[in-house]
Amino acid sequence: DAKTTQPPSMDCAEGRAANLPCNHSTISGNEYVYWYRQIHSQGPQYIIHGLKNNETNEMASLIITEDRKSSTLILPHATLRDTAVYYCIVRVGGYQKVTFGTGTKLQVIP
Amino acid sequence: EAQVTQNPRYLITVTGKKLTVTCSQNMNHEYMSWYRQDPGLGLRQIYYSMNVEVTDKGDVPEGYKVSRKEKRNFPLILESPSPNQTSLYFCASRYRGPYEQFFGPGTRLTVL
Repeated sequence: DAKTTQPPSMDCAEGRAANLPCNHSTISGNEYVYWYRQIHSQGPQYIIHGLKNNETNEMASLIITEDRKSSTLILPHATLRDTAVYYCIVRVGGYQKVTFGTGTKLQVIP
Repeated sequence: EAQVTQNPRYLITVTGKKLTVTCSQNMNHEYMSWYRQDPGLGLRQIYYSMNVEVTDKGDVPEGYKVSRKEKRNFPLILESPSPNQTSLYFCASRYRGPYEQFFGPGTRLTVL
């Protein structure tokens, strides 16, 4: 699996959009980008994933650059409950081995 | 309710005393995994399974065993626990293919 690079921490004002970047410059053509978040020490929660196209669901949007070497997770209106560690991972769809990394600690500020 | 369950949630034990952490999922998922999480190191994969009787090592398999005799269960076995296995453990499962993982609530293990 390709390695990912994320900033260790970010702040965001409540109500504003939170844009979390992820670099995956060695991603291969059949690897998907997945985002998860972990609140305190709870089990990680799936947010969104994509292969090439931008994706949106009720939680967030995922923007993948055309060369697929980086992506951005967008939380459109951050709330205090979005304070968490956000993990970006890449893996082949059917593949099981996965590396999570240390993620980005997002602090939403009132 | 679709879920991954782990037992126990908290465990304090002593060095060398064999223990098993159970993991069960009710979603008929083919794939299951075990992770450990330590401060500053993120989530690291211990073992994974792609179906019944099919398991393989993740990044940190030393000191652990797993088995997958039934599709819904994937227990993690520590034959002779040591203090460096003190950690927060998560089980996860998913369907085969480009699908998301569902994580259990975690098991906090302390080995004295």
